[in-house]
Parts: sequence; structure tokens; C-alpha cells
Amino acid sequence: NAGVTQTPKFQVLKTGQSMTLQCAQDMNHNSMYWYRQDPGMGLRLIYYSASEGTTDKGEVPNGYNVSRLNKREFSLRLESAAPSQTSVYFCASSEKVLAGGAYNEQFFGPGTRLTVL
Amino acid sequence: KNQVEQSPQSLIILEGKNCTLQCNYTVSPFSNLRWYKQDTGRGPVSLTIMTFSENTKSNGRYTATLDADTKQSSLHITASQLSDSASYICVVPAYSGAGSYQLTFGKGTKLSVIP
Repeated sequence: NAGVTQTPKFQVLKTGQSMTLQCAQDMNHNSMYWYRQDPGMGLRLIYYSASEGTTDKGEVPNGYNVSRLNKREFSLRLESAAPSQTSVYFCASSEKVLAGGAYNEQFFGPGTRLTVL
Repeated sequence: KNQVEQSPQSLIILEGKNCTLQCNYTVSPFSNLRWYKQDTGRGPVSLTIMTFSENTKSNGRYTATLDADTKQSSLHITASQLSDSASYICVVPAYSGAGSYQLTFGKGTKLSVIP
């Protein structure tokens, strides 16, 4: 099992360009997430998908769109990249969205390092 | 506001020595607390998950403690190895409404183990 895979590993964009970050998981998980990690800050949730066919905003959704293509794949799109979106992006998956006292473990991908000039 | 604070921000120790990392949280209601290890250039990997009823939990040379009354947790690393060099992140789920929770991440403690 590969777990959670992300492509590309690195990307450099110019301001205003668009791109899509791809994520796939092979653990048959229902829920998937996109986070960003910036220096000196904790990971912040951008969007998540509780199950196939649903998506919801997280803490920092502005400037991003997502698509849950199927149960395995969850993509993140930057329509018009800005320097403030320079960050490391992590995709994660879990069996289901956290609920009640449950503690579904989230499994993270290796990350995509994005630089916007 | 739900917050997770970690200390120290960074730490350098000699190989073979022990160390303790601290986490204070203000998340309420409390469900569980997690410690993740993040190697440079990699995604976080779970070390342990503790519920409010667990005071201590071990995973090899890693021992986590939890005091739900004072809202504090610690991660103790015994007999450190060079491979322990990483960032250690404390994470607490915060209620986000409609019966679901989202993870609140601390900024992490960057540990460097030197020969």
C-alpha cells in the first residue's frame, strides 16, 4: 500500500497562474483533507471531504477550490495563484470525519512544496 | 479560541540523552490529544493518541502523558537517537459544529539530536 500520494512534489508558479494539486489514497478511506503548512505556524485546514460527493470549507479556504473526483482522489486547485499561497500543502485521509469522541487517525501524504513568484 | 501551545520551540540534545516536550491546550470540549512526528520534507506521522481517561501511553522510546485537569501533555523521549531529529507536533480535535471535529495543530517543537 502506498498510503497517501501527492503530485507534484515541487512546483513554481508565477502570480496569476493556475494549477491543480493531486492527491490519492489507497486505504479505502471515506474522508480526505487538504492542509497548508507555513513557517512558524501549525497546519491549517483548507478544505475537506467527509465522503465522496461532499466538500466543506476549513479554516483558510479563500483562493482555493477542491474536487472529490471519486473515493480515492481529492484535488486542490489554485485558480489565480498569489505569493501568499506559497506554502507546503499536505493531503490527508481518514476512515471518516472525526465525530463525537471518536479518534479516527489521519494519514498524511509527503506534501507539495509550492512557490508563487 | 481553541489553541494548542508547544514548548520549547526548538531543542538540541546529545545522542543518548532524554528530553521532554510540552503541550498546553485550551480546546473545549476535549476528546483526545495526539502527538505527531514530522521528519524534514515529510508529512506528519502519528506517534500516539490519548483520550481523557489515559494518563500515560508509551510507544517504544516515546512516552506521552496527559493531565486533562490542567490541560497539559508532555512527550518524553528516552535514550535519544539521531533518527529522532524531527518536529514533534501536538494536535487536539476541536468541535466544528454539526457533530464533527477538526484538528487544531500546535506549531511544533523542532528537536535536533547531535552525536
